[in-house]
This record gives sequence, structure tokens and C-alpha cells, in this order.
Amino acid sequence: GAGVSQSPSNKVTEKGKDVELRCDPISGHTALYWYRQSLGQGLEFLIYFQGNSAPDKSGLPSDRFSAERTGGSVSTLTIQRTQQEDSAVYLCASSQQLNQPQHFGDGTRLSIL
Amino acid sequence: GDSVTQMEGPVTLSEEAFLTINCTYTATGYPSLFWYVQYPGEGLQLLLKATKADDKGSNKGFEATYRKETTSFHLEKGSVQVSDSAVYFCALSHMDSSYKLIFGSGTRLLVRP
Repeated sequence: GAGVSQSPSNKVTEKGKDVELRCDPISGHTALYWYRQSLGQGLEFLIYFQGNSAPDKSGLPSDRFSAERTGGSVSTLTIQRTQQEDSAVYLCASSQQLNQPQHFGDGTRLSIL
Repeated sequence: GDSVTQMEGPVTLSEEAFLTINCTYTATGYPSLFWYVQYPGEGLQLLLKATKADDKGSNKGFEATYRKETTSFHLEKGSVQVSDSAVYFCALSHMDSSYKLIFGSGTRLLVRP
């Protein structure tokens, strides 16, 4: 079946612009996670959604970052007023339930000029 | 807080050599442990997992045993192939932190023919 789908695969934008990254999880997966992979920081957790529960936003690095998950499926990660340090690969993962292995998408490579 | 420590890379081996990549963790309670692999140009893939002490995860000839007494989850393979060249990430998750993955810094493996 289809895996986790992320779009766009690459995004180049100017400093100060807003960007939206999309994640389409595996059908039926109730848990959805966003991570960031950067050279200096490795792989970091950003935010997670589980069903209709309030999201765990504890990993978001600043208030410029936000995410939503509509209808328990597709999720959008938004970065406002982008900075050069936001350049990274943003990864989305989903799992069937909270304690099940997470399956990752191929990521969105974000470059801030 | 919880953390994962992996051996520094890169690890360079000849084909058919024995592989060990060390991983130790610090966590409260009883986390689940994982190895993820990232092949060149591809996304993160789950390689194997173990959910309780003394469990052995295995896949594609790779093995790792959950050692509670040494807080370790070392990855081993008896005979590596060129196609095993990739970056390997050790990770943990547990219920107390919403099952988010906490990753080690990754170890790059290069296998020469």
C-alpha cells in the first residue's frame, strides 16, 4: 500500500517568507509525527498528533512554527518568517497506534536563501 | 532527559566483514528500542526493533539485543555487503513521552567491494 507522502520534496524560499509543508500519512494510521533533520542538530522531534487529542507541541523550536491535522489525516507544518537556521529536511512519520513503529516519508528539503 | 549515544562514524569495512555499531541509551522506565537505516537519497526505514529487555530484533541479517543491564542495543551483522552502505540511527521511544522517537546522531557505514 501507499506509504507516507510528503510534499513538496524540495522547497527553496527567501528569508522572511512563510512556507507550508504537507504530510499525507498511511491510511488508518492514527498517530502522526513531525521531525527535523539538520546537520547541526541531527534528528529532532517537533510535534505529534494522536486522534482527536491535543497535539504535543513540545518540540517546536519557536512560535514561528505551527502545525495542524485536519480530519485526522493530512497534516500541514507551517513556518512563518523563515530564517536561515530553518534550513533542514522536515520528516513526517505515522504509526497505526501510539506504541507501534513509525513509518517515515521521504521528507521535504527546505532551503532558506 | 532521555538520550541515545551512538559510536562516531564513518565506519569503513570490506565486504563480508563483521559489523558492530554501538548504541547506548539513558531513559526512565522501559523504552522500546529501534534501529533505523537511511540509504543514500532515500528516507528513513525501520530496520529492527525490540520492546523489552532481552528481546532480539532481527531483519536482513542484522541483529540487536535489548540489554537492560548495560542500557545497550548494539547493531551487528555477520557479513556486510556493499548494499548495506547507509547511515544507521539508533532510537528509543516510550509512553512517558508520547512515543516520540529520540535518535542518536547516526553512524555512516561504508562497505568497500
